[in-house]
Parts: sequence; C-alpha cells; structure tokens
Amino acid sequence: DAKTTQPTSMDCAEGRAANLPCNHSTISGNEYVYWYRQIHSQGPQYIIHGLKNNETNEMASLIITEDRKSSTLILPHATLRDTAVYYCIVGGNQFYFGTGTSLTVIP
Amino acid sequence: NAGVTQTPKFQVLKTGQSMTLQCAQDMNHNSMYWYRQDPGMGLRLIYYSASEGTTDKGEVPNGYNVSRLNKREFSLRLESAAPSQTSVYFCASSVREGQSYNEQFFGPGTRLTVL
Repeated sequence: DAKTTQPTSMDCAEGRAANLPCNHSTISGNEYVYWYRQIHSQGPQYIIHGLKNNETNEMASLIITEDRKSSTLILPHATLRDTAVYYCIVGGNQFYFGTGTSLTVIP
Repeated sequence: NAGVTQTPKFQVLKTGQSMTLQCAQDMNHNSMYWYRQDPGMGLRLIYYSASEGTTDKGEVPNGYNVSRLNKREFSLRLESAAPSQTSVYFCASSVREGQSYNEQFFGPGTRLTVL
C-alpha cells in the first residue's frame, strides 16, 4: 500500500476555505484516496474518499490530480470545530495513517 | 445503531499481566481492524480480519493476538503486557468484501497504561 506526505501543521481563518494538500506519488491504479480527521483523542472520523474524479459531500471536497500523485482536501468554510488532525490515506485493506496535518482554525 | 463499541474505555495493567480488549459492531460489516496510537503519532494497524474466520497481520502485530469471534466481534489480546504497549487502541469496521473502497468506522478507543 502506498504512503502519503502531508504538511505537519496549517492555520486557517474562520470562515475561509481550508486547503489541505497530500502527496501520494506511489499510488497504484486501484487504490483509493481517503481523508479522515481526528479531534483530540477521539476515534478518526471519515470525511471523504475518491479514486480518479473529484468528489464533494456535505463536509468537504476532494480534488485529485490527473496523474493521481497528489490530492487536496477542501473545507469550504472552516469553523472552529474543524480544528483537528487530518489524515490522508491511500490503501486497500491496510491503512497507513502517517502523522497527518494539524489544522488550527483561528477566530 | 451504536456503531463500533469498545470495552473497557480505560485500563491500567502491570508488566506481565494479560488482558483482552473487546470490540463489537452492529453494522453487519465484514471487515474489522485493530489499531494503536502512540502519543503524537498516527494510527498503526495491528491486525485485521477481512471476513469472519480470517485474520491477518498488520504493521505492528508483535505482542498481540486476535480472535474474530463472530461477524460482530473482534477481540485483541495482550498475553504479557509490556510498558511499550502503553497506547490508545482503536477498533474499526468496514463493509469491504467485494466493495471496491474501504470506508472504515472507528470506535471511541481504549486507553491502556502498562506500568
């Protein structure tokens, strides 16, 4: 299973869009990209997943590059409750979480 | 639906003691997983069960055993606890088996301290 690279931390102003990048240059053709977040020490919460096309749901949008080697999670209007660690994961049966991006939403 | 439940929520053990962490899901999922999370780190997969009756090693299986008791329940056993096993343990489940993607649902975690 492929592994990912994410920035360690990011800040975002409340109400603005938060764009979280992820590199996954070794992704294979049938592997999905998943995004999860973890607030404090709670269990990770699923956000969104995608294979090739861009995806949108009520929480976020996922933009995947054409070569699938990187992706961006977009939280369109960040709120204070979006402060969390965000994990980008590529895989099948086995998930490799890495250390994620710690997003802080600033009032 | 309760989703994924884990017991106990907290546990303190002495070195060498044994214990079993319990996990159950009520979503009729086929696949179940056990992860550990050390301070400041991401989750690491210990074992998983792709379907009832099967188990496979993950990234960090040493020192652990698992049992897929039935479709609902997946337990994690520490036979002889060590301080290095102090961690937060998360259980997860997913539909999988034939489903192309693997959306996993996580439990609230068990916080284990080994003295």
